[in-house]
Amino acid sequence: SQKIEQNSEALNIQEGKTATLTCNYTNYSPAYLQWYRQDPGRGPVFLLLIRENEKEKRKERLKVTFDTTLKQSLFHITASQPADSATYLCALRSTGFQKLVFGTGTRLLVSP
Amino acid sequence: EAQVTQNPRYLITVTGKKLTVTCSQNMNHEYMSWYRQDPGLGLRQIYYSMNVEVTDKGDVPEGYKVSRKEKRNFPLILESPSPNQTSLYFCASSPGQDLYNSPLHFGNGTRLTVT
Repeated sequence: SQKIEQNSEALNIQEGKTATLTCNYTNYSPAYLQWYRQDPGRGPVFLLLIRENEKEKRKERLKVTFDTTLKQSLFHITASQPADSATYLCALRSTGFQKLVFGTGTRLLVSP
Repeated sequence: EAQVTQNPRYLITVTGKKLTVTCSQNMNHEYMSWYRQDPGLGLRQIYYSMNVEVTDKGDVPEGYKVSRKEKRNFPLILESPSPNQTSLYFCASSPGQDLYNSPLHFGNGTRLTVT
């Protein structure tokens, strides 16, 4: 069956460190993968998109990698800040399908 | 301000009483979609619309209806709500019919409780 898996346990890190979140998928052939941030009681907000033929994408302190062989995407936040504390969702669209499928998200807690 | 607006933000109702959750976007987006979010299950798509008068089922459409008479509006209708439809609902829109390079813009959610 098709699955998108993100670590359900919260990730606790100290301010200034790099946070790395993982998104694994099975039985999908994604055309691209997206990452969103969700704060409590709010809708998800788009952060980054990476295509199947791209290995890495960066935006300010954010970096996303996409390994179609491992069927995995890694999301990095460098020099993390308490304001980065939120739940991060990965989402992918399989080739030929007009919908995004979301993972359950990983909660990130950055301590001062 | 470009946004997706859902109403109401909170709704408590009783089993069987028809309700409508409204969604409106002011970005002239073609694609609109409804998701529900439940603990441990994540966001699951209910219905989506590629354009006016074009709607299609997502992964969990049972018990829901939608309509797309105008480009900006995409209401979610629960004809006979049941307690298992208690959830957090999100409306989202995207500029292109092809979701490639077109991230979703989400509303702030509607928390529905059916007793």
